[in-house]
Amino acid sequence: EVQLLESGGGLVQPGGSLRLSCAASGFTFSSHVMTWVRQAPGKGLEYVSGISGSGGDTYYAGSVKGRFTISRDNSKNTLYLQMNSLRADDTAVYYCAKDQATAWPYGLDVWGQGTTVTVSS
Amino acid sequence: IVLTQSPDTLSLSPGERATLSCRASQILSSTYLAWYQQRPGQAPRLLIYAASSRATGIPDRFSGSGSGADFTLTISRLEPEDSAVYYCQQHATSPFTFGPGTKVHIK
Repeated sequence: EVQLLESGGGLVQPGGSLRLSCAASGFTFSSHVMTWVRQAPGKGLEYVSGISGSGGDTYYAGSVKGRFTISRDNSKNTLYLQMNSLRADDTAVYYCAKDQATAWPYGLDVWGQGTTVTVSS
Repeated sequence: IVLTQSPDTLSLSPGERATLSCRASQILSSTYLAWYQQRPGQAPRLLIYAASSRATGIPDRFSGSGSGADFTLTISRLEPEDSAVYYCQQHATSPFTFGPGTKVHIK
């Protein structure tokens, strides 16, 4: 069974850092683009960041560029999101999602259940 | 690329047809347009990719169409479990933006 399990969420003060992880199983991890999508309370979906199967190409939303870094360890089947300089408007549920394609996004066909990040003093 | 969805909310009865619109701020290849369903309290689910291809396990009540800058998701015969928010997403140009969503309410 294909599964994605996010972890690392929690409460952090403004300006702080957090690293999210997404453990993947049930598919060939290195063969798929992986993506982080977030959803603020009561709001819609927001694309955050994506990374190609090899890790050689990364993509970011303008709102997080320069503050967040996406990476992957294909030997551990794990996706990461390093979040620095966190702000109150980064508060959201963060979803890890698997894309159907290897190099360029083509549709997010498997989603995790999400991990909650709260930025507050 | 900015995506605009209409209407904001749709309230229909079971068995009726729902037509949801997604308009892009610039022309994009239909290869790069997807639709997702998000039921309350759940993670999103891929319905349609490449504008008109149904994802695995999606009933044929769901269909996608469109090209250029205008795309449509049609639910031909609504069922109670179709009550959800529906999002379109473009992945032609980074960042791969989502539309604001259309909420479908089943009376």
